[in-house]
Amino acid sequence: AQSVTQPDIHITVSEGASLELRCNYSYGATPYLFWYVQSPGQGLQLLLKYFSGDTLVQGIKGFEAEFKRSQSSFNLRKPSVHWSDAAEYFCAVGPTDKLIFGTGTRLQVFP
Amino acid sequence: GAVVSQHPSRVICKSGTSVKIECRSLDFQATTMFWYRQFPKQSLMLMATSNEGSKATYEQGVEKDKFLINHASLTLSTLTVTSAHPEDSSFYICSARGVNYGYTFGSGTRLTVV
Repeated sequence: AQSVTQPDIHITVSEGASLELRCNYSYGATPYLFWYVQSPGQGLQLLLKYFSGDTLVQGIKGFEAEFKRSQSSFNLRKPSVHWSDAAEYFCAVGPTDKLIFGTGTRLQVFP
Repeated sequence: GAVVSQHPSRVICKSGTSVKIECRSLDFQATTMFWYRQFPKQSLMLMATSNEGSKATYEQGVEKDKFLINHASLTLSTLTVTSAHPEDSSFYICSARGVNYGYTFGSGTRLTVV
């Protein structure tokens, strides 16, 4: 069955610290992978996506993610977190016709 | 970039009434639109997929007669929650996809049924 697991429900980091949000997926074929960010009461904004090619993907707002097929993972990273990064982050996997979302990771940033 | 407008952003309605939510792609033609439901502090659950001019395809467990979806044009899809009840209160988000465009999400609609 297709699924996405985000093991960390809630992460707290200090501003300026590095960040890694974990995402593991189960998918039969070559996956399309996405990371989205959601601010409270808002829709989702695409941070980055992986379809093929270079396994290290650069996104907006200084985020990057690395696709590791052997580990079925697509972890999101940022070297230095800003207070404005506090939000909910969703990993998603899809074929071309629909997306399957993980349960999300809530990021809290302390000054 | 691709923009999807969703209205209203918030709506409060009385139990038993119907509510319509609109999702518009502003600068591209959306061949497919998706409707999601999100409960507090939970992930997005796909409710249905609609292609322009076709009947929507509903996910298992979603009541077709309660959640009416219309995708009459390449830029507009509507979700109507019929005979709403308090348990229908939720955050509803649409997403649109077009040729050469990935998934673009609307800003969501907070529905409260009282």
